[in-house]
Amino acid sequence: DPKIIQKPKYLVAVTGSEKILICEQYLGHNAMYWYRQSAKKPLEFMFSYSYQKLMDNQTASSRFQPQSSKKNHLDLQITALKPDDSATYFCASSLDSSGNTLYFGEGSRLIVV
Amino acid sequence: GEQVEQLPSILRVQEGSSASINCSYEDSASNYFPWYKQEPGENPKLIIDIRSNMERKQIQELIVLLDKKAKRFSLHITDTQPGDSAMYFCAAYNVGDNSKLIWGLGTSLVVNP
Repeated sequence: DPKIIQKPKYLVAVTGSEKILICEQYLGHNAMYWYRQSAKKPLEFMFSYSYQKLMDNQTASSRFQPQSSKKNHLDLQITALKPDDSATYFCASSLDSSGNTLYFGEGSRLIVV
Repeated sequence: GEQVEQLPSILRVQEGSSASINCSYEDSASNYFPWYKQEPGENPKLIIDIRSNMERKQIQELIVLLDKKAKRFSLHITDTQPGDSAMYFCAAYNVGDNSKLIWGLGTSLVVNP
């Protein structure tokens, strides 16, 4: 059973719309992350959270907003979607943010038309 | 910013031969170096890692070498099999004010039968 659950697995969205990608982890981890993967950039770090606090944001656009309602949740809200946002978005977690193994969810494949 | 260089980007080998992927990093204080394997349509999965207090680690056919002086680390897959065909990513944990994993751009390994 996957311990990091991402929803939805596949998503087609219209340009200009807004979507939320869900991530829940059941590993008891304190740090969570979002990564993006596309043909242009193999594995691109977006955000890191530790104990529900934003630690690092490498996403230039404010259209991407992480939301952490619980320690084991880190959702990603994307507004004003563009075709260039098409990618697979991976949620990941680690025990804490100090150099421990990262575990990835199965990804949410987003296509913006 | 800090970078991890990963080479080659594409590696083709014959089944049964060895495959080597090399990475170099910039931060001499980096202390954790994981390797991830990603098969098509799947999430990245940790296959082996090494910490800075070691120079060599082996798990079955996987060998990781770490040269802290040269700031290089490498993955060696002995006796490659078609099932080893995948993308491989190296990463280095960057210790500092904003500690985080820095990722290489990946190596596409193709093992020809």
